[in-house]
Amino acid sequence: GEDVEQSLFLSVREGDSSVINCTYTDSSSTYLYWYKQEPGAGLQLLTYIFSNMDMKQDQRLTVLLNKKDKHLSLRIADTQTGDSAIYFCAESTSGTYKYIFGTGTRLKVLA
Amino acid sequence: DADVTQTPRNRITKTGKRIMLECSQTKGHDRMYWYRQDPGLGLRLIYYSFDVKDINKGEISDGYSVSRQAQAKFSLSLESAIPNQTALYFCATSVGVPGTDTQYFGPGTRLTVL
Repeated sequence: GEDVEQSLFLSVREGDSSVINCTYTDSSSTYLYWYKQEPGAGLQLLTYIFSNMDMKQDQRLTVLLNKKDKHLSLRIADTQTGDSAIYFCAESTSGTYKYIFGTGTRLKVLA
Repeated sequence: DADVTQTPRNRITKTGKRIMLECSQTKGHDRMYWYRQDPGLGLRLIYYSFDVKDINKGEISDGYSVSRQAQAKFSLSLESAIPNQTALYFCATSVGVPGTDTQYFGPGTRLTVL
């Protein structure tokens, strides 16, 4: 079945860039998403990319998609302590109800 | 006020008890979802509803049931709770073309079954 994988932990120093990686298996994926979960809260959409795009930039966030390798990454520039959270990668296919979520990557930003 | 609310936020119950988790939304979205989150497993879909009369099982529906009382309300029930149902439960809503829309999540309910 479809699967989305992420590493579980990432630790960076404040001011550095963070890169969170994700791999997926479903070649029919239409949209790929990044969600952020802060402590005690639900998931909140950060950004998404359509599968025919290679890159999307939104302020400090850069999403890179390598469709051939089924690899998605989220780069956070100038990482701040407020960026500490769990980041989920997710994929979906147009016309379906299914959203497949990764395991989440816990980002810890050290002051 | 939050657009998607869940009650209770925390619940401790005993094995065999019936428990209901409630979700309400003010976003006016037709689609609603229930997920559970377990450490190291991400989110898994329990049930989803495209409208009041359309309810569907997700990948892990065994041991759960749902009720869509109105467009704004979607409840999840555990008829006889067991310890491996201890998890964080999220309700979500969405609107638009399925598979291309954004999901809006509630704050979650932390359920512990002893």
